[in-house]
Order: sequence, then structure tokens, then C-alpha cells
Amino acid sequence: DGGITQSPKYLFRKEGQNVTLSCEQNLNHDAMYWYRQDPGQGLRLIYYSQIVNDFQKGDIAEGYSVSREKKESFPLTVTSAQKNPTAFYLCASDQPGTGNHKDQPQHFGDGTRLSIL
Amino acid sequence: GENVEQHPSTLSVQEGDSAVIKCTYSDSASNYFPWYKQELGKRPQLIIDIRSNVGEKKDQRIAVTLNKTAKHFSLHITETQPEDSAVYFCAASIRLIKAAGNKLTFGGGTRVLVKP
Repeated sequence: DGGITQSPKYLFRKEGQNVTLSCEQNLNHDAMYWYRQDPGQGLRLIYYSQIVNDFQKGDIAEGYSVSREKKESFPLTVTSAQKNPTAFYLCASDQPGTGNHKDQPQHFGDGTRLSIL
Repeated sequence: GENVEQHPSTLSVQEGDSAVIKCTYSDSASNYFPWYKQELGKRPQLIIDIRSNVGEKKDQRIAVTLNKTAKHFSLHITETQPEDSAVYFCAASIRLIKAAGNKLTFGGGTRVLVKP
């Protein structure tokens, strides 16, 4: 449960403001992900990172940005270009199986609920 | 890209009965199929997963079956209890060995209500 920590739990954004959501993991996982969940809907992939200093766009990357400067951290910035940011944001991480690592499935943090003021 | 369809969107069952949720996927290269349970306002939690080299997997009251030819997989919950009430999501991905990155494509979810 304590492997992936997201903060804050609730966040409010003003018009024209950028906000950053934090995601930290202590699982030593290589891969990290950001998803967006709208009420009554499934999860949609925003960005993902396979390794430090590398990341790829997901299905709905417009209006968002990320960085991966450290293995344990993958912050998501919701920019003013994202006109409908109200949603539940979930961070996840996993570790594919390799010679020295057991395959570990994707697990999620507790999420950040973002609303517009 | 991958597309995952999930049915039904809502499911109401009497306590003790079985619940079945079905998903279909489009990409025949997908080889990993997890199921997540999400309670209201909380994070999705992995309850069971299956890989394409097996046709069925069980864990106590939960089982998942996979039909690669038809490209569909199902979640079966037996002897349902009120605490099984939640939203359940299926997902599909191409899980690569020795490669980081496991892009999950999720179904739209099934809201399960177990009536006492």
C-alpha cells in the first residue's frame, strides 16, 4: 500500500494556472504511468516513462507535461492548455520481468482529485 | 492501437449468486490481461491477472478465463458477498519481457452491486 505516494489528495486550479501533481514510488520500479479517470469512466493513459530521463505520450497527452529526473519520481503538470482538467488522476508503476527481476504487475497510488475553482 | 470493450456496464446480483463480466480486445498481440477492483473514491486494486499462455486462472472465489481465438476474457465471481460491490475494470496489454513499459488499455468498467 505505501509503495506509491501521490500528493496532494485534493487540488484546485484557478483559470490560467499550471498545477503539478506529485508521484513518488519506493518500489524500485523502472516504469511509471499517469492516468486520468473521469466520473463513471475507465482509465485513460496520459504519459508513461520506461526509464529515467525518458517518457512517451499516452492517448490524451495534450495539455499535460511530465518529467522523470529520478527513478522514484514522476510528477505531472496540468497546464493552462488543458481546458477540462477536472478529474481523478492516478499514478502507477510496474517492473517487467528480467533476468534479475521478478515481473511485478502495475499498482496504483491513491490518486489526486483535481477541480477547477 | 488496442481497444477493450467491457460488458455489462452495471450488474446487480443477489448475495451468494455468481457474477460474470466479459471483455473483448482487438489486438491479437496482447498477452497480458489484468482485472482491477475500484471502490468509490479509491485507487484500483489488482485482483487477478492472466497471461496468454494459460486459459484459466483461479484465486478462491475469483476466476478469469481467456479465449485467445475469440479475443475475449471474462471475470467470474462466485458466492458473491456485499463487499464485492465495486467497479471492476478489465485491461489488456502487450507485456514485453526485458522491456519496461506495459501500456494497459482499460475497459469502461462494470459497476457491480451485490444485494444482501
